[in-house]
Amino acid sequence: GIQVEQSPPDLILQEGANSTLRCNFSDSVNNLQWFHQNPWGQLINLFYIPSGTKQNGRLSATTVATERYSLLYISSSQTTDSGVYFCAGWNQGGKLIFGQGTELSVKP
Amino acid sequence: KAGVTQTPRYLIKTRGQQVTLSCSPISGHRSVSWYQQTPGQGLQFLFEYFSETQRNKGNFPGRFSGRQFSNSRSEMNVSTLELGDSALYLCASSLNGGDTEAFFGQGTRLTVV
Repeated sequence: GIQVEQSPPDLILQEGANSTLRCNFSDSVNNLQWFHQNPWGQLINLFYIPSGTKQNGRLSATTVATERYSLLYISSSQTTDSGVYFCAGWNQGGKLIFGQGTELSVKP
Repeated sequence: KAGVTQTPRYLIKTRGQQVTLSCSPISGHRSVSWYQQTPGQGLQFLFEYFSETQRNKGNFPGRFSGRQFSNSRSEMNVSTLELGDSALYLCASSLNGGDTEAFFGQGTRLTVV
């Protein structure tokens, strides 16, 4: 079955709006990370969040490991927030398993 | 401290050729993993090296191989290139692999013509 699933696949926002991205992960995956892929392809680390809540500026993330989901919150979105957001977790075989991503477009 | 460095950034190769990509991890990190990203398949795990040994392998043909040196730098080789090998290849550096935070390089974009 699907080990890491993200929703929504696409999201269009007006600048200044808030958004929530969701990542569901199976029992075989742990130690979630959130990434933002920049236009040049590099995956930028946002959060390493096996459980609990972390905040970094306008971004915050919460992982509820017992319920197998993680949320990424973006507040007061800016056009520079556009791009693809990935969550990924380590499986028991030592592989980082990625979701399919959420493509975010923030309009001015 | 320096991040993960991948070279080259861009490559154009002809079908049938071979290619070698390089990844220098963050100092002190012993695990290097490689991923292939294509529009259709997303991000897929190729293999992981830890202390010069391949520790994990994904579902890719034997044309894809790699190695790791004593300084933890890793190389990935693809032989007999096919058009479908065109992709962004990303490497990840982490302290010990599974269950530790992974950091990615800028990627190598390979085009096979």
